[in-house]
Amino acid sequence: DTAVSQTPKYLVTQMGNDKSIKCEQNLGHDTMYWYKQDSKKFLKIMFSYNNKELIINETVPNRFSPKSPDKAHLNLHINSLELGDSAVYFCASSQSIYEQYFGPGTRLTVT
Amino acid sequence: AQSVSQHNHHVILSEAASLELGCNYSYGGTVNLFWYVQYPGQHLQLLLKYFSGDPLVKGIKGFEAEFIKSKFSFNLRKPSVQWSDTAEYFCAVSLSGNTGKLIFGQGTTLQVKP
Repeated sequence: DTAVSQTPKYLVTQMGNDKSIKCEQNLGHDTMYWYKQDSKKFLKIMFSYNNKELIINETVPNRFSPKSPDKAHLNLHINSLELGDSAVYFCASSQSIYEQYFGPGTRLTVT
Repeated sequence: AQSVSQHNHHVILSEAASLELGCNYSYGGTVNLFWYVQYPGQHLQLLLKYFSGDPLVKGIKGFEAEFIKSKFSFNLRKPSVQWSDTAEYFCAVSLSGNTGKLIFGQGTTLQVKP
């Protein structure tokens, strides 16, 4: 009965590779988000989708491409991974603009 | 640009001590305010939120926060902390009528000694 789930939980890969992180929510929410938490635990929004439509696109390298096949899923694909991409990536969902529910996070390590 | 500032980066308390974590934001318009907690190895959970109404809001696990509009502050309080409150605490703001984008503070690490 997990509300917001992410896969994988851990991802270790080499520089230059392409990887994807998947997110699913079973709360019936319309809006989903991706946040990046850096090594100092600072959280910053990357993207947001509302009903499969991109509504927030922060200053993120275009190597990052979100995709929302339906409103319950928001995936994050990263091309040509760099050392600086190492972080914990959190998916979240909300109904309207209010309280956001976060997933467990995906710890990405780029070597 | 809007920002959120948490004054205490690392707080160490003994059990039963009182807690107050500071949070200030920079935005002159209407805001929604949140405190999230991240226990070790877990995801963020909402502690409490303020949208409108009574500026003193109560959350889960005995936490409360007070919105003081004139000071652009939303400080988190708990009268008596427990060892299980050891966690990372994040203050966050979203702009009313906006897309729901949360702007987070840098977080405060709370360590409670038994």
